[in-house]
Amino acid sequence: GAGVSQTPSNKVTEKGKYVELRCDPISGHTALYWYRQSLGQGPEFLIYFQGTGAADDSGLPNDRFFAVRPEGSVSTLKIQRTERGDSAVYLCASSRGTGLTGELFFGEGSRLTVL
Amino acid sequence: AQRVTQPEKLLSVFKGAPVELKCNYSYSGSPELFWYVQYSRQRLQLLLRHISRESIKGFTADLNKGETSFHLKKPFAQEEDSAMYYCALSPGGKLTFGTGTRLQVTL
Repeated sequence: GAGVSQTPSNKVTEKGKYVELRCDPISGHTALYWYRQSLGQGPEFLIYFQGTGAADDSGLPNDRFFAVRPEGSVSTLKIQRTERGDSAVYLCASSRGTGLTGELFFGEGSRLTVL
Repeated sequence: AQRVTQPEKLLSVFKGAPVELKCNYSYSGSPELFWYVQYSRQRLQLLLRHISRESIKGFTADLNKGETSFHLKKPFAQEEDSAMYYCALSPGGKLTFGTGTRLQVTL
């Protein structure tokens, strides 16, 4: 169907709360990526999945951040004990396969504001 | 570690003028390089990739390994080119983005 879908589009939460952000990739895309974009910055890599497994999670800033993709399709990014510095737009992208000679298709992002 | 540098936050040009958006990278291996674009109220999307050696919407980019650059060029800017442009590097498996350059084309 349509492109990569992310929900919620906006999330406002209080410091210390738990947040989940969801990404529904393009059907058939095996690779899924999470990025974070702060104001005035480029997208910053967090984690990417190939199928159900995390192929590279080197960008997760600390153990408060966790992501899953249990059935190889939808993914959830989970943030525990949110901090004001977590405020950013969280972008999800998917692609057909491994490597990056292919194209990444991005969602519209989830804007997270931590008060 | 890989790094992408886009030295200009904002580039303002007149319609019909040539455009060059600068991108330099730091990577010890053989890189794959891309330009992504985000138009107002739209998603980030691929503009072009160096391995394709293609021209998209009149834009071209040549990989210069000696200067570690991948500048984006267009001979005659159009109003619809106004957008945020990101250079990105892939050593495999993930993209590393620059901070982006906003291109503003004015009449």
